[in-house]
Amino acid sequence: GQQVMQIPQYQHVQEGEDFTTYCNSSTTLSNIQWYKQRPGGHPVFLIQLVKSGEVKKQKRLTFQFGEAKKNSSLHITATQTTDVGTYFCAGLKAGGTSYGKLTFGQGTILTVHP
Amino acid sequence: SQTIHQWPATLVQPVGSPLSLECTVEGTSNPNLYWYRQAAGRGLQLLFYSVGIGQISSEVPQNLSASRPQDRQFILSSKKLLLSDSGFYLCAWTSSGARTVSRDTQYFGPGTRLTVL
Repeated sequence: GQQVMQIPQYQHVQEGEDFTTYCNSSTTLSNIQWYKQRPGGHPVFLIQLVKSGEVKKQKRLTFQFGEAKKNSSLHITATQTTDVGTYFCAGLKAGGTSYGKLTFGQGTILTVHP
Repeated sequence: SQTIHQWPATLVQPVGSPLSLECTVEGTSNPNLYWYRQAAGRGLQLLFYSVGIGQISSEVPQNLSASRPQDRQFILSSKKLLLSDSGFYLCAWTSSGARTVSRDTQYFGPGTRLTVL
């Protein structure tokens, strides 16, 4: 079945440092989504990427979708303590009827030291 | 606007006891509904999904079951809980409407933290 691998599993940074998490799918994706889960909370949708090579920005967050639509990355510039949480990528398999079923990566747990 | 509710928020149950977790969605019709389990500090495992009343698809064989008695109600059940059933259970919905960029976005409920002792 489809697998989505996400690295690193953990990332500890000093406030102000940059952070990047990477996502790689075993199959071509229709789209990829990113979610953030604060400690003790539930995943919250951040963004969806659909087009090959697409790059989107949200303030200090930059999201990229690979040319082959099989990998993606999330980069945070100058991290802040409010960025703490687990970041998940989730891919929708290309082709067929998927009923919106996403395959989630294992997540990257980000801690930021003030 | 759409909202999703889950209850209870936390639950402590003995091994072998039954389970019933409920999820309801407001403000939308005919949503696709999903149950996930998240082990401590780990990723999301899809357990069940439903595209309509009475339609349930199971992703992982286990001692859990799901039902959808009404359009916007999704229930997760077990007849006898195991220690390994402990975790954070999340319900989510997506729109089943016309293909739009936001159609595949999943909106999660606040979750139920289940501890089986």
